[in-house]
Amino acid sequence: EPEVTQTPSHQVTQMGQEVILRCVPISNHLYFYWYRQILGQKVEFLVSFYNNEISEKSEIFDDQFSVERPDGSNFTLKIRSTKLEDSAMYFCASSSQGVHEQYFGPGTRLTVT
Amino acid sequence: DAKTTQPNSMESNEEEPVHLPCNHSTISGTDYIHWYRQLPSQGPEYVIHGLTSNVNNRMASLAIAEDRKSSTLILHRATLRDAAVYYCASNTGNQFYFGTGTSLTVIP
Repeated sequence: EPEVTQTPSHQVTQMGQEVILRCVPISNHLYFYWYRQILGQKVEFLVSFYNNEISEKSEIFDDQFSVERPDGSNFTLKIRSTKLEDSAMYFCASSSQGVHEQYFGPGTRLTVT
Repeated sequence: DAKTTQPNSMESNEEEPVHLPCNHSTISGTDYIHWYRQLPSQGPEYVIHGLTSNVNNRMASLAIAEDRKSSTLILHRATLRDAAVYYCASNTGNQFYFGTGTSLTVIP
């Protein structure tokens, strides 16, 4: 069964550093998403991406965040200057039906020290 | 977004039906209701979604109140593998909002 993959599984970085989280969505999906989950809290929407552009973004997704689909397979989330409060699990998801039936990856745990 | 509220936790006996409630009193007419579940150390997993009519699939059933202010996820026969956090969610366009989730414990 096809699945969404994410790398790395765990990223440790120092405050102020840039990080890039990588995702490989399911190959025939056209809708892509990033979410975050702070430890012990609910999953929060960051951004949706369709047709090579951002379709929606939340208040969390400020100028420090950016997304890119650099080639036909990868979907990346960049945080330009990490803060302590960026520490969380980051999940990528993809779908062939817009917001419906999203398939989530296993997540990247980001630890900012 | 439709603010969703769910009980923090519920218990069920194995092989018994489970009814997981969700209130979404501010939902608009075009917002769908979605359910996902999350097992420990995994990403959320899609369960079911609907707009107005009740929905059934191989995993569960979704019962939506006529006024759409609440819904219930029904697991027909709980198994130990169904122990997870169940999230009720809604969308506005391509923005997606998870609730706080219900942690389901299945008792053997």
